Formats: sequence, structure tokens, C-alpha cells
Amino acid sequence: DVKVTQSSRYLVKRTGEKVFLECVQDMDHENMFWYRQDPGLGLRLIYFSYDVKMKEKGDIPEGYSVSREKKERFSLILESASTNQTSMYLCASSLVSGGGYTFGSGTRLTVV
Amino acid sequence: AQSVTQPDIHITVSEGASLELRCNYSYGATPYLFWYVQSPGQGLQLLLKYFSGDTLVQGIKGFEAEFKRSQSSFNLRKPSVHWSDAAEYFCAVASSNTGKLIFGQGTTLQVKP
Repeated sequence: DVKVTQSSRYLVKRTGEKVFLECVQDMDHENMFWYRQDPGLGLRLIYFSYDVKMKEKGDIPEGYSVSREKKERFSLILESASTNQTSMYLCASSLVSGGGYTFGSGTRLTVV
Repeated sequence: AQSVTQPDIHITVSEGASLELRCNYSYGATPYLFWYVQSPGQGLQLLLKYFSGDTLVQGIKGFEAEFKRSQSSFNLRKPSVHWSDAAEYFCAVASSNTGKLIFGQGTTLQVKP
């Protein structure tokens, strides 16, 4: 089975800190995604990547950046964390054709 | 641009009653369509998916969904709901070209005894 691993389950950071959320998949998937999940808003796409060093903005990229230096790893970066970025963050991966998506367990980030 | 709308934020049904959760999508080409379920504190679980072929798709836990191109809909149904079905349900659409996956806002299902 494909596994998507997010490095932290819970994270607490201070306003203004630079925050890195890491995601690793073990099945050679081309596509990787970062979503944030908030009550009443569902899962909103922040960024996705369809190849190494390639990225595309999702619906809510403001305040975030990403890095994909290796195929298996996709990092989400909060350059200067703010309290409105407190949320659950989910990583996913898939084949380029979109046939099957595998999600990580999520990172609950609290910015204080 | 891709988008997904789930018109019902919250639905309450009695145990044993039938269920239909609505999903409308916007996408120019033939989409890939999904329904996921998320129980409190849990991750996303895939219920079913539609790529092509038969427009009535069977999934796990007794769920089914019907793709209606003319209505741009992919509604989820279950003939008899169980208390354990109480959860949040998400409809999603993926681009068949890029694989980009977009979710609806979710529908919370409450089941009355």
C-alpha cells in the first residue's frame, strides 16, 4: 500500500515563525498536494506539484510556499506564521492520471 | 475552472431511512469524481469513485452514487442509514489531464436513533 507520511501530528508555533510541514510518499507518485481543512470550508487546495521542482498554485496559496526537490518529498512552508493559519493540514499524492489519491494523517497546526 | 458544490451543509436522517447527499461539479472535460467520508478525528476514507463506464457506481459500506452528465451531478445514496454512518462526507472532482483534486465544502450527516 502507498503510504503518505506527515512528519508531525500536532505542532504549535508562534506568530512570525517560519514553519515547515513535511510530507513523504513511498510509491513514486508524480503528483503531490497540500490542503488545509477548516470546519464548514472543506478541504481547500493550497499548492500541488506534478513533478520535481514543478508547482502550481491552488485556491488559497497566499502566505504559503512549497518545495519539491525530490519526487518523494513535498514541503509546505509558512514564511511568517499567522494565527489565521491555524488549521489541519493534509498532504496527498497520486499518479499523474489521478487514478488514486492517498492522504496522510494530517498535521494540526496551532499558531499562537 | 474546477469547482464542487455540496448544497447541504448539514443533514439529519433517522436510522433506517434512505439518504441522498447532493454534489454538483463544474469541469470542462470528463471529470474523475469521488466521495470521501471522514469520521470525527479520523482521516479521509474513499467511499467510491467514477472514472468512466457505468454511471451508477457501487462503493463500500452500502453506498452508491450516480453520475449525471446533463445535470453535472454525482449524488451519493444509501437505502438504509446506520448510526455508524454519522460523519462528514466530501465530494471531490479531479482533472483527467493533470490529476488536480478539488473538494466540496462537505456535508455533515447526523443520524437520529
